[in-house]
Amino acid sequence: DVKVTQSSRYLVKRTGEKVFLECVQDMDHENMFWYRQDPGLGLRLIYFSYDVKMKEKGDIPEGYSVSREKKERFSLILESASTNQTSMYLCASSSQREKEYFGPGTRLTVT
Amino acid sequence: SQQGEEDPQALSIQEGENATMNCSYKTSINNLQWYRQNSGRGLVHLILIRSNEREKHSGRLRVTLDTSKKSSSLLITASRAADTASYFCATDAESGNTPLVFGKGTRLSVIA
Repeated sequence: DVKVTQSSRYLVKRTGEKVFLECVQDMDHENMFWYRQDPGLGLRLIYFSYDVKMKEKGDIPEGYSVSREKKERFSLILESASTNQTSMYLCASSSQREKEYFGPGTRLTVT
Repeated sequence: SQQGEEDPQALSIQEGENATMNCSYKTSINNLQWYRQNSGRGLVHLILIRSNEREKHSGRLRVTLDTSKKSSSLLITASRAADTASYFCATDAESGNTPLVFGKGTRLSVIA
């Protein structure tokens, strides 16, 4: 069965720390996405990638970067975590822009 | 840039009743999708309806699409307590190679 895994379910970091959120999919999907989800704001796209080594900015890329060195792995990096980055982070993958498969999410708290 | 907007924001019904959620969008689409999210979890794809389709069924789910009104509805029949979740519509825009755009969701509570 299709699987998207995220490195942590819960994460607590301090302001200013560098944070890595890892996402791995086992479906050989070319497309991968990072979203953040906040109450009342729905899902907002941070970055996406349609191929290895390729990345595109989504709606809210500020304060984030990504890396996609291998097809199955898409990493989200918070260079210097801030309290306003406390959120639920969701990774997803898809093939041919059809349905997206989501990971379980990482709830990040920045103190 | 959110294109899909669900209505209502929240819905509370008794077990056994039907639940209807609506989604409106702004631009022409290739397809529209509905997802479900249990509290604190990732989203799960429910159903995809293409722009040339008007209605689609999957088990207790029925989705309609009216491209002239740029709207879709998701009907869950004979609801169960386990249907309690948030439901999101997502649109795949016709123009350009852009990602899906998700709405803010409808929070459904089914009371046993």
